[in-house]
Amino acid sequence: DSGVTQTPKHLITATGQRVTLRCSPRSGDLSVYWYQQSLDQGLQFLIQYYNGEERAKGNILERFSAQQFPDLHSELNLSSLELGDSALYFCASSVNSGIITDEQFFGPGTRLTVL
Amino acid sequence: GEDVEQSLFLSVREGDSSVINCTYTDSSSTYLYWYKQEPGAGLQLLTYIFSNMDMKQDQRLTVLLNKKDKHLSLRIADTQTGDSAIYFCADPGNTGKLIFGQGTTLQVKP
Repeated sequence: DSGVTQTPKHLITATGQRVTLRCSPRSGDLSVYWYQQSLDQGLQFLIQYYNGEERAKGNILERFSAQQFPDLHSELNLSSLELGDSALYFCASSVNSGIITDEQFFGPGTRLTVL
Repeated sequence: GEDVEQSLFLSVREGDSSVINCTYTDSSSTYLYWYKQEPGAGLQLLTYIFSNMDMKQDQRLTVLLNKKDKHLSLRIADTQTGDSAIYFCADPGNTGKLIFGQGTTLQVKP
């Protein structure tokens, strides 16, 4: 158990809908990262927040947004969902701002299925 | 941009050694990582190697780094059925954002 929790574990929804994925980092970790794992794109970095502020952005679609709250939990919002958004979404956390020596601890993921 | 490549599948017999290979393009990386993903689970950091090292050994795991060829390998000695998983190499470049390879599925046959 990494100490990172993600809810829900599974989510099934329809195209055009909007969903929110939630992540609670390990106690004491200030950074939260979101990754998407899909069959065709592999494992891709989406976005990072550090202590409430956006720190780095990767291949995140405009239909997706995220935020980190004062209690450091984070939410990833996915809107206007398409079939291709079906994937496993991972959250990871680390102590610091994402310097390269900072180990990232991964949650178990949320499996999103868009029908 | 940064890219990390891995072979997709490796099958070995229990007790044999497994070698999983990875190539990367970003030479600014100070560390390179190996993660393991078991079915239905998240990613677990297995080991990492500092870029000024050629080799790192950690119990049954040996990481070899060839900076000139930008080639990284993970050797698992005495492979067990519990080692069956997907193994990812990851390159943080100089930003800390992890760039992952496609993952190598290791199948261990009894």
